[in-house]
Amino acid sequence: DAGVIQSPRHEVTEMGQEVTLRCKPISGHDYLFWYRQTMMRGLELLIYFNNNVPIDDSGMPEDRFSAKMPNASFSTLKIQPSEPRDSAVYFCASTERGQSGYTFGSGTRLTVV
Amino acid sequence: EDQVTQSPEALRLQEGESSSLNCSYTVSGLRGLFWYRQDPGKGPEFLFTLYSAGEEKEKERLKATLTKKESFLHITAPKPEDSATYLCAVYSVDSSYKLIFGSGTRLLVRP
Repeated sequence: DAGVIQSPRHEVTEMGQEVTLRCKPISGHDYLFWYRQTMMRGLELLIYFNNNVPIDDSGMPEDRFSAKMPNASFSTLKIQPSEPRDSAVYFCASTERGQSGYTFGSGTRLTVV
Repeated sequence: EDQVTQSPEALRLQEGESSSLNCSYTVSGLRGLFWYRQDPGKGPEFLFTLYSAGEEKEKERLKATLTKKESFLHITAPKPEDSATYLCAVYSVDSSYKLIFGSGTRLLVRP
């Protein structure tokens, strides 16, 4: 298995632009998570899905953030408009019910200038 | 509110010098405690899950233990390749599959 695949690996954008991050979970995993990592706040859960349905989005910082999971093999995290304080590494992770531990992707490093 | 505190923030060891990392937690009802390793520029890599006080897990030079209030990650005779950030996380009976992470311990093992 190729693991959790995220794209792009790096994204540099200007303030105000729309940014879309993508994730392909491991086949057969029914839970998908979006995390954000910064030096100041560590790893923070933004939103998670179960069977493609959003379960908890309480970590989404503002209405500028939205996430979708149109099918079991694809999810997006969108920021519109982006701001410099959104600069961070965004991780996607997946797991299946009964499995011990998540599998994380390699992350997308977002820089908003 | 579930909380996870890790100490120390950073740890420097000589190769072969054993030590322990601490993870203190406050949760409404622990369902599982996880240890992850994270290398620079990569996502966290799963190491262990512990479910109940008294449980222990081992993998090579690493051994994780759990009490009702904290977990320890013991590193025996570390090597430079053990250098990484070690993250602790918990999920509780109230949080379903949401993992709450600590801020991590940055370990540097010098040859």
